[in-house]
Amino acid sequence: DTGVSQDPRHKITKRGQNVTFRCDPISEHNRLYWYRQTLGQGPEFLTYFQNEAQLEKSRLLSDRFSAERPKGSFSTLEIQRTEQGDSAMYLCASSLAESTFHSGNTIYFGEGSWLTVV
Amino acid sequence: DQQVKQNSPSLSVQEGRISILNCDYTNSMFDYFLWYKKYPAEGPTFLISISSIKDKNEDGRFTVFLNKSAKHLSLHIVPSQPGDSAVYFCAATLSNDYKLSFGAGTTVTVRA
Repeated sequence: DTGVSQDPRHKITKRGQNVTFRCDPISEHNRLYWYRQTLGQGPEFLTYFQNEAQLEKSRLLSDRFSAERPKGSFSTLEIQRTEQGDSAMYLCASSLAESTFHSGNTIYFGEGSWLTVV
Repeated sequence: DQQVKQNSPSLSVQEGRISILNCDYTNSMFDYFLWYKKYPAEGPTFLISISSIKDKNEDGRFTVFLNKSAKHLSLHIVPSQPGDSAVYFCAATLSNDYKLSFGAGTTVTVRA
């Protein structure tokens, strides 16, 4: 399977606990993105990396959220002291940085990690 | 602020007929538009895209039309098949950017 893979697919946690999600992008892709999707809404941008550098963080990404991409390969998204409002699907995506959309580049999404905070 | 809007949350169509999904955007700087399809409990999969220099792009049963003056695009699926039942998201971006702005999605149900 050469697509974007995410782990775990589902996570139920108690409020106040920490959770971590992992994303493995398509192997040659140097850009990696995290999005969040809640019920009835489209995905919302959280942050993105080019190689190991985190180049932008959305204002949706509170201080309790931290993302890393050591060595520019896989990425982790950690949520500390989870709240019920964090319940959502967390989507990872990847793309190539060297080509634009006009040249046929696109963003490929993983299957998502469902988080339920109880 | 919601820069991409899909005002129809759901669409029901008979198998074999045409499905038309609509999308409006407010940011006139957007110059690239994409449609993603999503099945329950899965991530979005890329379906078709269009650049602002075109007004139509076709790929098999899927055609996307862009009306820049109206800031409106539509996705036509013809003929509709049961496997097309899914949520369809419209997304927009600047072609040299890295962020996609998504609409809220339209749930398509194809009836046999």
